[in-house]
Amino acid sequence: DTAVSQTPKYLVTQMGNDKSIKCEQNLGHDTMYWYKQDSKKFLKIMFSYNNKELIINETVPNRFSPKSPDKAHLNLHINSLELGDSAVYFCASSLTSGPNEQFFGPGTRLTVL
Amino acid sequence: GESVGLHLPTLSVQEGDNSIINCAYSNSASDYFIWYKQESGKGPQFIIDIRSNMDKRQGQRVTVLLNKTVKHLSLQIAATQPGDSAVYFCAERGAGGTSYGKLTFGQGTILTVHP
Repeated sequence: DTAVSQTPKYLVTQMGNDKSIKCEQNLGHDTMYWYKQDSKKFLKIMFSYNNKELIINETVPNRFSPKSPDKAHLNLHINSLELGDSAVYFCASSLTSGPNEQFFGPGTRLTVL
Repeated sequence: GESVGLHLPTLSVQEGDNSIINCAYSNSASDYFIWYKQESGKGPQFIIDIRSNMDKRQGQRVTVLLNKTVKHLSLQIAATQPGDSAVYFCAERGAGGTSYGKLTFGQGTILTVHP
């Protein structure tokens, strides 16, 4: 009965590879997000989708492509991985895109070698 | 441990003491503020939120104070327990311009509670 789930929890890969992280929420929320947390614990928004439509797109390399097949899922695909992509990636969801609580997933620790 | 080398602000308290964690935010137009707790290896967990038309909100053992004049937010934890040890983040939600709808997180404060 996990509210926001992500897979995989850990991802170790070589530079240049392409990888995907999946996120699902069973809260019936309309809005989902991807955040990146660096080694200094700084947490920054990357993308947000509301009812499968992109509403926030921060200055993120276009190697990162989110996809929302339905409003319960928001996946993150990363092409040509670089060392600097190593971080913990968090998915989150909220009832609406308005001012309300965001529920975070457990995170995916990506290590690029 | 995971916090070594992070150089985040730290607060160490004894079990049973009250804790106050402070946060300065940047955008005077932000309309919503939220505190999160992050334990090691986990995602941020909601603690309490407050809208910009309020200056105080209380939850169970926690109180958030908002001072819009000086753009300052604080989290007070009463009777702090060892289980409260974590990194605490404040976040503000932009209300206009390019920051509209985005949660911008502060740098985090490490709270350590000693038994």
